[in-house]
Amino acid sequence: DADVTQTPRNRITKTGKRIMLECSQTKGHDRMYWYRQDPGLGLRLIYYSFDVKDINKGEISDGYSVSRQAQAKFSLSLESAIPNQTALYFCATSDGTYTGELFFGEGSRLTVL
Amino acid sequence: DQQVKQNSPSLSVQEGRISILNCDYTNSMFDYFLWYKKYPAEGPTFLISISSIKDKNEDGRFTVFLNKSAKHLSLHIVPSQPGDSAVYFCAASPISGSARQLTFGSGTQLTVLP
Repeated sequence: DADVTQTPRNRITKTGKRIMLECSQTKGHDRMYWYRQDPGLGLRLIYYSFDVKDINKGEISDGYSVSRQAQAKFSLSLESAIPNQTALYFCATSDGTYTGELFFGEGSRLTVL
Repeated sequence: DQQVKQNSPSLSVQEGRISILNCDYTNSMFDYFLWYKKYPAEGPTFLISISSIKDKNEDGRFTVFLNKSAKHLSLHIVPSQPGDSAVYFCAASPISGSARQLTFGSGTQLTVLP
């Protein structure tokens, strides 16, 4: 089983719908992240959390919210999806050492029509 | 403005030859640099890193070179294998940074031809 699991892997939805992407990890890391990948833009940070009570905005948080339900669970919500939120979303974890190394999930492909 | 740039969206190399992937950065505060590899339908995985106190780091077939004065780093893969075909992302973080401050490039698709 993957250390970082994302659900759903693929989702097609309509404009205005609420969507939740879920992430769970078995690595025991305190730090969790949500990124989105767009063609030609690489990965951009949406939100990150260093522990259950710590939530921080990343580079592109507008239109998104997150919830850290437990050390192992970090979910990303789109309250009212819009077409330019169509992207590949990745959850990632890291430990507290200064290495920059992230452990990614397999990704959730979201299409907003 | 992208602070980490990978100007080659794609690269094709013959099996057994050297693959050289390039990355340029503009932020002089970047201190730590990483390369990630991504296969289709999978998440990126860490490949190799280098601190600004070094100019070279080697791990098996993979070597990363850092030229601080030129704000340029490159990843060399020797010899290239078909299994190396993937998208390669470079990433950078500042001196006081951590994973939350990583800035990623847009990626280079490497295709190793058998």
